Amino acid sequence: EVQLVESGGGLVQPGGSLRLSCAASGFTFSSYAMSWVRQAPGKGLEWVSAISGSGGSTYYADSVKGRFTISRDNSKNTLYLQMNSLRAEDTAVYYCAKDGLFSDNWNYGDYWGQGTLVTVSS
Amino acid sequence: EIVLTQSPGTLSLSPGERATLSCRASQSVSSSYLAWYQQKPGQAPRLLIYGASSRATGIPDRFSGSGSGTDFTLTISRLEPEDFAVYYCQQYGSSPETFGQGTKVEIK
Repeated sequence: EVQLVESGGGLVQPGGSLRLSCAASGFTFSSYAMSWVRQAPGKGLEWVSAISGSGGSTYYADSVKGRFTISRDNSKNTLYLQMNSLRAEDTAVYYCAKDGLFSDNWNYGDYWGQGTLVTVSS
Repeated sequence: EIVLTQSPGTLSLSPGERATLSCRASQSVSSSYLAWYQQKPGQAPRLLIYGASSRATGIPDRFSGSGSGTDFTLTISRLEPEDFAVYYCQQYGSSPETFGQGTKVEIK
């Protein structure tokens, strides 16, 4: 059974940093691209960042480029999102998602974690 | 960036009725790379449809997807009580991958 468990969310001040983790199990982690998708309170879904199975290719939404860094440790079956220079508009539930296709780039999420809430506020 | 516009914003229907949800793209979605998700309050999105018309694993056949180019449709043939939720479309034909703003299907 595929499982994705996020952690690391919390309350942080504007300008601060936070690192999210997503522990994966139930599939060959290194074979699939992974992504982070966020949802601001009461709003829709927004793709944030993606990474290829090997970790060699990374992709970012313009809204987070230069501030967020996605990475993965295939030996630990874990996905990360390092978030720096956080802003109030980054407040959201952050979901990690497994790519539904056996490809090097992000397509769609066939499995999603339960999400972790990041609140940016003073 | 491809903008996806979903309509209607809210659909008020009764159990047993047919639901038709629309997703229109600002430019053609290559190879019908369009997915649909269902999301219930406090839960993560659940994949329903990929490739515009292929049902994901375990999805009941009352859910069907159709369309190509710029116009896509999700149809729920007969609404069950558990189908009342918010539905999102997402295109993955060009980067960045984008989502529609969602359609809420509520009980009338």
